[in-house]
This record gives sequence, C-alpha cells and structure tokens, in this order.
Amino acid sequence: DAGVTQSPTHLIKTRGQQVTLRCSPKSGHDTVSWYQQALGQGPQFIFQYYEEEERQRGNFPDRFSGHQFPNYSSELNVNALLLGDSALYLCASSSRPTGSVGRGTEAFFGQGTRLTVV
Amino acid sequence: AQTVTQSQPEMSVQEAETVTLSCTYDTSENNYYLFWYKQPPSRQMILVIRQEAYKQQNATENRFSVNFQKAAKSFSLKISDSQLGDTAMYFCAFMKGYSGGGADGLTFGKGTHLIIQP
Repeated sequence: DAGVTQSPTHLIKTRGQQVTLRCSPKSGHDTVSWYQQALGQGPQFIFQYYEEEERQRGNFPDRFSGHQFPNYSSELNVNALLLGDSALYLCASSSRPTGSVGRGTEAFFGQGTRLTVV
Repeated sequence: AQTVTQSQPEMSVQEAETVTLSCTYDTSENNYYLFWYKQPPSRQMILVIRQEAYKQQNATENRFSVNFQKAAKSFSLKISDSQLGDTAMYFCAFMKGYSGGGADGLTFGKGTHLIIQP
C-alpha cells in the first residue's frame, strides 16, 4: 500500500502565477482533504472533496480551488499567488463511514508539497 | 467554530522519562473526535492516538495514552518511556462528528515541539 502520495515535493513559483498540486489517496479511501501549514504553525483546513464535489471549505479565498477525479485523486489549484501562500500543503485521505452519528475515521496524510512563492 | 490550544511551544525530556503534552479545546458540539498527530522532520503527519468524545474511557496505544476531561475540554497526551524517535512536533486536533451531512476537516493546535535528549 503506497499510502497517500503528493506531487511535486517542492515547488518554486513567482508571485501572480498559478500552481497545481496533486494528491493520490490511500487505497480504499474516497475522501480527500487539503491543508495549508505555514512555517511554525499547525495545518489549516482548506477544503474537502468527496464524490468529485467540494463538501466542506475552510476560511480560504476563491483563489484556492480543487478537483477530484473518478479515481478519487485530487488537485489543489491556487491562482494569483501571493508571497503569503508560501507553505507546506498537505493532502489527507479518509473513507466515509457507512454508519451515522458516532462513526469517525482517521485521516492519513501525505508528505506534503513545499510551495515557495518569490 | 472550534479552537484548539496547545500552550507548550517546546518541551525537552531525557530518554526513558515520561512526558505530558497539554491540549485544550473549545466547542459547542457534543459529538466529536480528538486526535494527537506526530510530525517528524520528514513532514508526514502520523496519527498517534484518537479519542471519541462519547467514550468515557481514555484511549491508550502502547506507550501513548490520553487524559480526556470532557467537562474541562482538556485532552492531554502522556508518553511513557520516551524514546529518541519520539522527537517531533505534536499536534492536537479536533473533528466534528459525522451527522449524515458530511464532516468538517480537522482543526489543529499550533503544536508542541518535543525533544527527547539522550
């Protein structure tokens, strides 16, 4: 089992450019979440995808968008990059519980993409 | 909105000692989950332990255990017989329980840098 894989591992972009980050979930997982982790901080939730739709979103501007493909892999797109977008971007996968209230599932994380905006 | 607070930016203990990391959270939810994640220099978030809020019994995983005080909204992590490989950033995280309509992402604290000295 390859676990959660993210690409690329490192990326340098210029302010104003656009970037696409990719994530393949752990085998058997159908839900993908994206997080932004600034240096010295805890990760912050960007959004979550399930059944190819954005299901939940954190407090991030519309410059941050995503996509989920039929094979459950996902992309994170960031437009009009700002210096403040420099961070580690983490992808986490999980599986939707089949039960109702009271069922939860762990999120498995990839190693992240380090984005530097110059 | 939920908040998670980790008041210890850094802790250092000798190998084989026991160490406790603190976490408090604020929520109006009754159904939720709490997690401790470890992030070594490799950057990958690794789940250490989880606790369902509806369970009164504290979770344990080998050398790792939690002290979950629901009324006080406190969720501390105890590491017994600490090892050099335990050196990492530790993040406390909160997740609302599933209610049929989907789940929010994780809300993380700012982390505690734990250093195990030989």
